[in-house]
Amino acid sequence: QSALTQPPSASGAPGQSVTISCTGTSSDVGGYDYVSWYQQSSDKAPKLMIYEVSKRPSGVPDRFSGSKSGNTASLTVSGLQADDEADYYCSSYAGSGNLVFGGGTKLTVL
Amino acid sequence: QVQLVESGGDLVKPGGSLRLSCAASGFTFSDHYMIWIRQAPGKGLEWVSYISGGGGAIYYADSVKGRFTISRDNAKNSLYLQMNSLRADDTAVYYCATLHYYGSRDWGQGTLVTVSS
Repeated sequence: QSALTQPPSASGAPGQSVTISCTGTSSDVGGYDYVSWYQQSSDKAPKLMIYEVSKRPSGVPDRFSGSKSGNTASLTVSGLQADDEADYYCSSYAGSGNLVFGGGTKLTVL
Repeated sequence: QVQLVESGGDLVKPGGSLRLSCAASGFTFSDHYMIWIRQAPGKGLEWVSYISGGGGAIYYADSVKGRFTISRDNAKNSLYLQMNSLRADDTAVYYCATLHYYGSRDWGQGTLVTVSS
């Protein structure tokens, strides 16, 4: 099972919007609506930001949104804030009980 | 509130064994799938294994299949990972987490496993 493809880095100025992509195949991202996104600040456990492509757990600001088109899922962070600076990982169900993660994207707030 | 506390991480020699534990509280443990996810130093996340609430459904990543065994004791609100035939590339922080529709909402703080001679 190959990892999902994410850009290594992304950046934006405070107040701007940034979108991080997560590209898989029809066997994972394209085949199931089970894409999740995680935020990981340095030396901390990951935090679930989006599940089932576009659903937000309670407590996650609506500045974070998720979507999917074909084999590519996207996380959009609107109104960037300094504490959004972190690593972001996507994951997807890949069938037959398998999961797969992306390699991660380092988001820098300029 | 939900709390997950991992323990058991240690320095172990290649070929050795280790058992990780995860103590859960603040929720009905038996109602939830649970997952182990690991992160090698400076690397990304990798799922290891997950188990259904009753323990009847178990899945492993190919990288650990045949070497690791996941289990749970719902009476003790505890999740376990028995790791055998450890290799250097098993070195990582191991997190336990809840699993809901293939997303992990609640995480522990992680426990470090180092495999080195």
